[in-house]
This record gives sequence, structure tokens and C-alpha cells, in this order.
Amino acid sequence: DIQMTQSPSTLSASVGDRVTITCRASQSIGSWMAWYQQKPGKAPKLLIYKASSLESGVPSRFSGSGSGTEFTLTISSLQPDDFATYYCQQYHNLIFTFGPGTKVDIK
Amino acid sequence: QVQLQESGPGLVRPSQTLSLTCTVSGGPINSDSHYWTWIRQPAGKGLEWIGRIYTGRSTTYDPSLKSRVTISADTSKNQFFLKLTSVTAADTALYYCARIPINDGSYGMDVWGPGTTVTVSS
Repeated sequence: DIQMTQSPSTLSASVGDRVTITCRASQSIGSWMAWYQQKPGKAPKLLIYKASSLESGVPSRFSGSGSGTEFTLTISSLQPDDFATYYCQQYHNLIFTFGPGTKVDIK
Repeated sequence: QVQLQESGPGLVRPSQTLSLTCTVSGGPINSDSHYWTWIRQPAGKGLEWIGRIYTGRSTTYDPSLKSRVTISADTSKNQFFLKLTSVTAADTALYYCARIPINDGSYGMDVWGPGTTVTVSS
């Protein structure tokens, strides 16, 4: 089974900061990586799919990169609406796995 | 616009079977363009993928739950279902159903239901 790690687990940042979250897979998954944003009491929202493709309607300050085993989600200029928990998710051999999450809170 | 809605009992006794329904509106679940999937989230914890169904028949499950999980579908009602047997308190969670586009190689979960809370308790 593929294991996912995310770092950091918590990130304190200010509005306007550039924020980077890293997700690592225990084996190569090509570009089958997605990223989600979840706010309390809400279902997750898809931000990025296929490692770097921006989901329709998602602001362009969100971007994804990486392939193989290491992936990043970057928020170029953190906005008040971006304080949330972020999850990566991989797809490999018909199995999906989520990372443990990164909580982005206000510094 | 596709919408998903989970439904089912909010309380299940230990050792019994948890049964949930996801009703899909706005698009057919027997489409070959999408997987339909279940995910759960214990309170205050992360997301856990449970399994998926494709074209109403083909299924794949998370290896850690595979022995207890069955996902099925009724394409005439545009619904798919989750059954989880021999539940314990560890199965207490918010359960989501979601859609996964596959034709463009997305494999990201782009539409989610609001979730339904299931508590396992005697």
C-alpha cells in the first residue's frame, strides 16, 4: 500500500504570505495527485488534480507541482478565506489514499 | 449540475452493519466517465477513502476495510450504497459520497455530498 506524508502538519501564516505544503508518497505515483481544501463543518473542495491542473473556479493563487513521489501545493498570496486544512490525495493501482492534512492558521 | 446526498441511520449498534445510500441527481451513475466513491472522516481527524464503484458494478476497496465493505448500486434509482459489517466505535465518523471524473485523467473528487454522521454505540 502507498503511504502518504504531509508537511508541515500545522502552518501559521499571515495574509499575503506565500505558503507551500509538501506531500510525499512512499512510491512513485506519476502525476496522480490531487489537493483539497476543507473548512470546519464542510465537505472538502477539490483545488488541484493531476498534480498541477487547477480545478475550474479555483483562484489562480493556488498551484500544484511535482511528480513521482514529491508534490507541493503553493498559495502565492494567502487570503483570509484560505485559512483551512489542506489534504493531498493519491491514486495508484485503483486505490486512493489521503495524506494526514496540513492545517493553515492565522499567525 | 450534479448533486450528491447521503442518507442512512445515524446510530448503529456495535457488531451490526452500517448501511448508507448516496442519491445522485444531475447525471447518471452508470456513466463510464466517473467513479463514485465513499470517504469517511472521524471527528477531528483526517479523510479516509473507503472504496469506489464504476459503471454500477466494478468495485475497489481500501485494503484495510476490504473484508468488511461492500459498495453496490441501483442504476435505475441513480443511487449507490455502502455496507460496512461488524462495526465498532472506530467506525464512528462523518461519511461522504463523492464523484471522481476519470476521462480526462483527473482522478480528483470534484463533487461531494454534505456528509452524514454515523455513530456506533450501544
